[in-house]
Amino acid sequence: GENVEQHPSTLSVQEGDSAVIKCTYSDSASNYFPWYKQELGKRPQLIIDIRSNVGEKKDQRIAVTLNKTAKHFSLHITETQPEDSAVYFCAASRDQAGTALIFGKGTTLSVSS
Amino acid sequence: ETGVTQTPRHLVMGMTNKKSLKCEQHLGHNAMYWYKQSAKKPLELMFVYNFKEQTENNSVPSRFSPECPNSSHLFLHLHTLQPEDSALYLCASSQDTRAGSEAFFGQGTRLTVV
Repeated sequence: GENVEQHPSTLSVQEGDSAVIKCTYSDSASNYFPWYKQELGKRPQLIIDIRSNVGEKKDQRIAVTLNKTAKHFSLHITETQPEDSAVYFCAASRDQAGTALIFGKGTTLSVSS
Repeated sequence: ETGVTQTPRHLVMGMTNKKSLKCEQHLGHNAMYWYKQSAKKPLELMFVYNFKEQTENNSVPSRFSPECPNSSHLFLHLHTLQPEDSALYLCASSQDTRAGSEAFFGQGTRLTVV
């Protein structure tokens, strides 16, 4: 089955700096890669996703890149703000009935002002 | 509010108790999931239901028993749990299980086994 590795497990940055979180996956059939943000005491929520036919996607300060050959994808947050502090999870899934998102172990991002 | 509601929010149970967790969604989704979130293995997939049929059991011990009576409701029946089962249990739903179908999470049930 799919296995998703995520690094780093914790990341501390100064406000205004960029943050990068990296994930690798094992199943070459995976073709959907979302990122979820979980604030303290709250539920995970989708912030951005990318499909395998796209190499990069951007939404304001957040961008995701995908390298299918190397089987890794990354989340980039620019101009970080204290409200970006949360746990970020990457995930992977493939287009097969009955499957589900497989998540990485999460990255705790702390943005200090 | 994402439309996925879990009850109870907090649960403390003894190892000999039997309890059930409930998840309800009013998003018209056909797929529902149980995830376990603990410090050791965050967001670990437990069960997948697609159109009320269980399609995946991710090697979950039999002391956890899921039930999906219809596409809007999902239960997790618990019995003779162990302290290491203490965790946040998150329910999620999506339109279906196809890739690209966004998963919406409930707020979770914080379970403590004593």
